[in-house]
Amino acid sequence: SQQGEEDPQALSIQEGENATMNCSYKTSINNLQWYRQNSGRGLVHLILIRSNEREKHSGRLRVTLDTSKKSSSLLITASRAADTASYFCATDAGNYGQNFVFGPGTRLSVLP
Amino acid sequence: EAGVAQSPRYKIIEKRQSVAFWCNPISGHATLYWYQQILGQGPKLLIQFQNNGVVDDSQLPKDRFSAERLKGVDSTLKIQPAKLEDSAVYLCASSLGVTGGSGYTFGSGTRLTVV
Repeated sequence: SQQGEEDPQALSIQEGENATMNCSYKTSINNLQWYRQNSGRGLVHLILIRSNEREKHSGRLRVTLDTSKKSSSLLITASRAADTASYFCATDAGNYGQNFVFGPGTRLSVLP
Repeated sequence: EAGVAQSPRYKIIEKRQSVAFWCNPISGHATLYWYQQILGQGPKLLIQFQNNGVVDDSQLPKDRFSAERLKGVDSTLKIQPAKLEDSAVYLCASSLGVTGGSGYTFGSGTRLTVV
């Protein structure tokens, strides 16, 4: 089934550095979402980007979407220890009403 | 606004026993989802409801899993009988519309351990 695949699987950086995570998917989409999950907690919605958008910002987050390459990236600038979490991309299958399928996630560790 | 409520928070059962999870979505959210998240993996959809109707249950192991949303509000997910491989976090999520265009709101989940 349609699924995004995040890369890298794990990322470790120092506080203050930027973190970039990538998501690749297989078939055309309408929307792509990014979520954060802190250990032992539920997922928190970060950003939704539509197929006709190329870039969106939210605070220290920047998401890009390249539909020609079927890929998206999530950039976290000036990372903080509190950004330590798993990050997931979720894609629909291009049909409205279709639920979103989650990738395996990127585990980000921000070291103080 | 209140978030998605789930209970219990943790559950430990023996294999072949039954278990039930409860979810109360955000008020006014028509669409409700149950996801299974095995440790180290992304969430996998089990079932999607639109009001009290099932939209997608293609990945629900129907021989042992069942779910209902009788009045189109809260929902229960049941496993009977449980297997060791059912150990996971069960996440409930809701969204305003069927497209999830404003994103899903997730509950904190129920961590199930089957021994």
